[in-house]
Amino acid sequence: EVQLVESGGGLVQPGGSLRLSCAASGFTFSSFPMSWVRQAPGKGLEWVSVVSGNGGTTYYADSVKGRFTISRDNSKNTLYLQMNSLRAADTAVYYCAKGVSSSWSKGFDYWGQGTLVSVSS
Amino acid sequence: QSALTQPPSVSGSPGQSVTISCTGTSSDVGSYNRVSWYQQPPGTAPKLMIFEVSNRPSGVPDRFSGSKSGNTASLTISGLQAEDEADYYCSSYTSSSTVVFGGGTKLTVL
Repeated sequence: EVQLVESGGGLVQPGGSLRLSCAASGFTFSSFPMSWVRQAPGKGLEWVSVVSGNGGTTYYADSVKGRFTISRDNSKNTLYLQMNSLRAADTAVYYCAKGVSSSWSKGFDYWGQGTLVSVSS
Repeated sequence: QSALTQPPSVSGSPGQSVTISCTGTSSDVGSYNRVSWYQQPPGTAPKLMIFEVSNRPSGVPDRFSGSKSGNTASLTISGLQAEDEADYYCSSYTSSSTVVFGGGTKLTVL
C-alpha cells in the first residue's frame, strides 16, 4: 500500500525558514517523480515544485522560485522542501504527491494527508 | 501562469449527469494531453480521478469520464451519487514545464 506522510509544518515568522519532509513507502521511491502541492485555507490547489526520480531535475512555480528548494534522498525514501524567506502568502497545507509514472507531467496518483505551514508574526 | 478556469459550482440530482469544464490556453490544455482531474471531499487530500485527459486510475468508477476539445477539458460524472459531492480540480502541464490547477468546482448533489 502506497503511503506518503508529511511532517515539519508549523508556525514561523515572516522571513523565516522551514523544512518539510515526506516519508514514502509501498512503492519503488526512486522510480517516480515527486511533487509538492499547497492549498491555502479555503482556497484551491497550487502546484509548488517537482523533482525527478533521480533528483537531477527540478521545476518550481514562479511564486516560490528562488526561495524554495525541493530535494529527495532515495536511500531514505524521503522527499524534502526547504522553504526560506517565508511570507504570509505561503500559509497553506502542503501536500506531497507521487507522479503517475516516470513522466511527471501525467498527474499525481497518491497524496499525503498534508502538513500545515502558518507564516505569521 | 494563470489558473485554469472552472465554474465555481455545479449541481445535479442523483442519477443525473453533470459536466465540469476547465478552460486554459494554447500554452497548457490546448497543447498537451496532460490534463488531470482530482476529487477533494471536505477536509481530505485530493484523489486522482482522471489523468492524460481521459484515463481512469484503477478503482475509479467508469461513471467518471474526461475529454478535451481545443483549450477546454471536461469532466463528466454520470449516474450522480451522493458520495460524489466534493470539490473538483483540473490541472494541466504547461509549456513552462510547470503544472497549473483550476480554481476548483464545488459539486452539490441535490
